[in-house]
Amino acid sequence: DAGVIQSPRHEVTEMGQEVTLRCKPISGHDYLFWYRQTMMRGLELLIYFNNNVPIDDSGMPEDRFSAKMPNASFSTLKIQPSEPRDSAVYFCASSPGTSGSPRRGTQYFGPGTRLLVL
Amino acid sequence: QKEVEQNSGPLSVPEGAIASLNCTYSDRVSQSFFWYRQYSGKSPELIMSIYSNGDKEDGRFTAQLNKASQYVSLLIRDSQPSDSATYLCAVNMGGAQKLVFGQGTRLTINP
Repeated sequence: DAGVIQSPRHEVTEMGQEVTLRCKPISGHDYLFWYRQTMMRGLELLIYFNNNVPIDDSGMPEDRFSAKMPNASFSTLKIQPSEPRDSAVYFCASSPGTSGSPRRGTQYFGPGTRLLVL
Repeated sequence: QKEVEQNSGPLSVPEGAIASLNCTYSDRVSQSFFWYRQYSGKSPELIMSIYSNGDKEDGRFTAQLNKASQYVSLLIRDSQPSDSATYLCAVNMGGAQKLVFGQGTRLTINP
């Protein structure tokens, strides 16, 4: 089975440019999560969706960040305009949820997008 | 107080010994607990999940949960150099679907 797919794997851009990160969750998973990981702050949840609906975006750092999930198989995280402090690894994860699953609540991570903003 | 706390290490253990990783959490209603392993430059991968008090064993790995003490641990028996990685403790908070991750413990197994 295909796992979570993210693109691009690496992105280098200049300050002020728009950055779009993409994610395809595991088929059948109802939940999708976007995380950011840095050495200083560790792994932080930015936003998560349930059945394509944003449930909690309290981790989105500021209005420059936005996320969408137009359908069950695709999500985007957009940064506009980007800043050097946005440099991090961005992970997408999906989960089948907590009801009826033998590994309820388990999140499966994609390979990540390594973003560098110059 | 952080919601999920781990000793950041580094923790150094000789090959063949038992590695013990600890995690405490702040939310008493948490129901799901996870240990993820993350190799350098890779994404987190699930090692163990535990939902009930007590021990849960899977091969060389044992997860231990004590909800009264708000404490979860991971034991790795017969440690191998390939176990060298950062181990992340994750806890669901407030009964919600989202997980809160600790800072991770960097483990090094010395041959």
